[in-house]
Amino acid sequence: AQSVAQPEDQVNVAEGNPLTVKCTYSVSGNPYLFWYVQYPNRGLQFLLKYITGDNLVKGSYGFEAEFNKSQTSFHLKKPSALVSDSALYFCAVRDMDSNYQLIWGAGTKLIIKP
Amino acid sequence: DAGVIQSPRHEVTEMGQEVTLRCKPISGHDYLFWYRQTMMRGLELLIYFNNNVPIDDSGMPEDRFSAKMPNASFSTLKIQPSEPRDSAVYFCASRTLNTGELFFGEGSRLTVL
Repeated sequence: AQSVAQPEDQVNVAEGNPLTVKCTYSVSGNPYLFWYVQYPNRGLQFLLKYITGDNLVKGSYGFEAEFNKSQTSFHLKKPSALVSDSALYFCAVRDMDSNYQLIWGAGTKLIIKP
Repeated sequence: DAGVIQSPRHEVTEMGQEVTLRCKPISGHDYLFWYRQTMMRGLELLIYFNNNVPIDDSGMPEDRFSAKMPNASFSTLKIQPSEPRDSAVYFCASRTLNTGELFFGEGSRLTVL
């Protein structure tokens, strides 16, 4: 069965420090992986995706994510956090060998403190 | 492009009333999704369409919920009769291609009293 886990409900980081939001997944075939961000009272916005190729994917707002097949992980990272990065972050996966739709993680609230 | 457009942004209604939420997907996108977001359940897929045809409605909670897509530029999600437990934010999203990312609307916040 397909699944996505975001093990942390909340992550707290000081402004200027690096941040990591964790995501692990389980699919039977090869995965499509996505990260989305949701600001308060807004819809979800696409940040980045991994389909194939380079394991390090760069996305919007200076975010990047590293695909690790052996650990079935797709952690979201940023070298230097901004207060404006504070938001809810969702990881999602889709099995590219099936017609299943996206499976969503529960979301991780990221709080960046000045 | 204006993005995915949803209306109304906020709806407050009384239990038993009919609620209709509307969505205009991005032009050229052939997949349309309806999601519901609550604190308790997170993000739930209700139904999705491909080329205006409903493909999977297994996420629709019960018969009180119905969705239509009469053409490529318009979809509705209807709840009749509404109940307090339907209170949530309802999102519409669209995409093209199997590998494409979803584009979300700003959501419709529904409160049923």
